[in-house]
Amino acid sequence: SQTIHQWPATLVQPVGSPLSLECTVEGTSNPNLYWYRQAAGRGLQLLFYSVGIGQISSEVPQNLSASRPQDRQFILSSKKLLLSDSGFYLCAWSGQTDRMNTEAFFGQGTRLTVV
Amino acid sequence: GENVEQHPSTLSVQEGDSAVIKCTYSDSASNYFPWYKQELGKRPQLIIDIRSNVGEKKDQRIAVTLNKTAKHFSLHITETQPEDSAVYFCAACFGNEKLTFGTGTRLTIIP
Repeated sequence: SQTIHQWPATLVQPVGSPLSLECTVEGTSNPNLYWYRQAAGRGLQLLFYSVGIGQISSEVPQNLSASRPQDRQFILSSKKLLLSDSGFYLCAWSGQTDRMNTEAFFGQGTRLTVV
Repeated sequence: GENVEQHPSTLSVQEGDSAVIKCTYSDSASNYFPWYKQELGKRPQLIIDIRSNVGEKKDQRIAVTLNKTAKHFSLHITETQPEDSAVYFCAACFGNEKLTFGTGTRLTIIP
């Protein structure tokens, strides 16, 4: 069966420090991978989307970047965190069946607080 | 790209009554429409989905309807229970493209 791992679960970082959140998927190959951010009580903002290794689509201009060094690994990074980067970050993956999307499965999320 | 609007943003219903959440989408080519439930502090989880080749799908107390002509789809929850309280998100996509989510509906079931 497929599983998705996202870590850490919580993170408190000072302004100006770097960030690295990691997400890995098991049990499937060539997944579509997503990074979302959710502000408190708000919706899911798509940050990055990847259909394959090295293929990253950025959805909003921001202080963050993403990389996909391996098929089932998706990393969210920042060189210098801002206060506004605080939020709940969710990694997700979806599969492909006959070039159609399947449901998206979310990781447990990382609650990032920038202080 | 796809744009999904979701209404209402908050909804309160008496326990036992029905709840309806509506979404509209912009890309007429979209053909996959999932609904997710997110409980407080947890990850969103799929509760039901529908593809464009059907107009309605039901799973116990939950149903989704799709109107391709009007480009809208709705989630219906009947006989609501306290555990239905959560934030619900609709989403849409075409083929293997990215899933675009609505802004969410906070549903509160009043005992």
